[in-house]
Amino acid sequence: EAGVTQSPTHLIKTRGQQATLRCSPISGHTSVYWYQQALGLGLQFLLWYDEGEERNRGNFPPRFSGRQFPNYSSELNVNALELEDSALYLCASSQGPGGETQYFGPGTRLLVL
Amino acid sequence: KNEVEQSPQNLTAQEGEFITINCSYSVGISALHWLQQHPGGGIVSLFMLSSGKKKHGRLIATINIQEKHSSLHITASHPRDSAVYICAVSERAGGTSYGKLTFGQGTILTVHP
Repeated sequence: EAGVTQSPTHLIKTRGQQATLRCSPISGHTSVYWYQQALGLGLQFLLWYDEGEERNRGNFPPRFSGRQFPNYSSELNVNALELEDSALYLCASSQGPGGETQYFGPGTRLLVL
Repeated sequence: KNEVEQSPQNLTAQEGEFITINCSYSVGISALHWLQQHPGGGIVSLFMLSSGKKKHGRLIATINIQEKHSSLHITASHPRDSAVYICAVSERAGGTSYGKLTFGQGTILTVHP
C-alpha cells in the first residue's frame, strides 16, 4: 500500500511569489492535515480537511489556504511569500477525523529567497 | 507555557542504556502520539495512546490520563535509535475533536556505540 505522497520535494521561490504544494493521502483516508516545521519553531498545525471541507485552521494568515479534491488529495497554496515561510511542509492523512493515527508524507522543503 | 511540554530537550546515551523521554500536556485530549523524526525530515508514528501502556519491540509508551503525563522508554538503546522523538496530542473539548495535532518541542536523542 502506497504511503502519503507529496510534491514537489523541494521548491525555491522568491519573496512575493505564490507556492503550490500537493499531497496525496493513503487510499481510503478522508482526512488530510497540513503542518509547517520552520527552523527553530517546531511543528505547527496549518489546516485540516475532511470530506472536501476545511474543518480547522491553525494560527496562520489568510495567505495560507488550501483545498481538498473529490479524490481526497489536497493542495496547499501560499500567496505573497515571505522569507519566514521557508520551512518543511508536511502533509498527513488519517482514516477519519480526530484522534486517529496520522500518517505523514516526506514533506516539501520550501525555500523563499 | 506550551500546551505540550517534553523533557529532556537533548539526550545523549551509550549503546545499551535504558532511555526515558517525558511528556506533559495541559489540554483535553482524545489521544497522545509518539512520533519519530529522522534527519531527512520524515516522520513515523510510533504509538497512539489513550490509556495504559503499549509496547513495540524495544519501545514502550505509557500514559497517565489523571496526571496528564506520558513517557516513552527505549530499552537496550542502539545508535540507529538516534532521532528526534516528538510527543503530540489530539485535542478534544467535550465531544468535539479539533483534528489537529499539537506538538511538543521534541527530544533530540543521540546514542553512541
